[in-house]
Amino acid sequence: QSALTQPASVSGSPGQSITISCTGTRSDVGTYNLVSWYQQHPGKAPKLMIYEVTKRPSGVSNRFSGSKSGNTASLTISGLQAEDEADYYCCSYADSSPGFGGGTKLTVL
Amino acid sequence: QVQLVQSGAEVKRPGASVKVSCKTSGYTFTSYNAHWVRQAPGQGLEWMGIINPSGGGTSYAQKFQGRVTMTRDTSTSTVYMDLSSLRSEDTAVYYCARDGSGWHQFDSWGQGTLVTVSS
Repeated sequence: QSALTQPASVSGSPGQSITISCTGTRSDVGTYNLVSWYQQHPGKAPKLMIYEVTKRPSGVSNRFSGSKSGNTASLTISGLQAEDEADYYCCSYADSSPGFGGGTKLTVL
Repeated sequence: QVQLVQSGAEVKRPGASVKVSCKTSGYTFTSYNAHWVRQAPGQGLEWMGIINPSGGGTSYAQKFQGRVTMTRDTSTSTVYMDLSSLRSEDTAVYYCARDGSGWHQFDSWGQGTLVTVSS
């Protein structure tokens, strides 16, 4: 059982926006602004897309944005493109050990 | 540029041990913690533990306590993950990852090492 809860799948058409949620507890997401998001294409290593809830690493498209409210963090992808089709994982710092979400499969229709 | 290059795929018998290496380059090895994360076939990411390359201190996920050992060699900028008493459920891709912030945010990843446990 994953520490953080994500929807198993989301979908959208090219050009649309989608949002993936990541629900934790007061012990992780709710306390720390240290949520990160990873994109993983089949057979590839994960890639950091968002860190510290809202920050984008250099080279990541500004179509990707992050936010947080209470115990839930969210990743929004705007202007969907075919190459965005992948699995997405959230992760939060916690005192004992970091926890990952179960992952969300994004399908671009 | 930052690079993490892992050792090749392994096939092990149940009960055996495996040691996976992760050679780093492009940054000051002792300035960033390293983590190990695994992914079973068709499953999500699972955090295994962290090593501080400077002092060698480690912390492991409770699930792997007693079976996992993480070490480092500062002369070659390499971290290692040793998993013992292997069982079929340990079949997975094992990744090393650099902690870019010190707060469990993984900004660079190795390419992954497939460990297959089978009799």
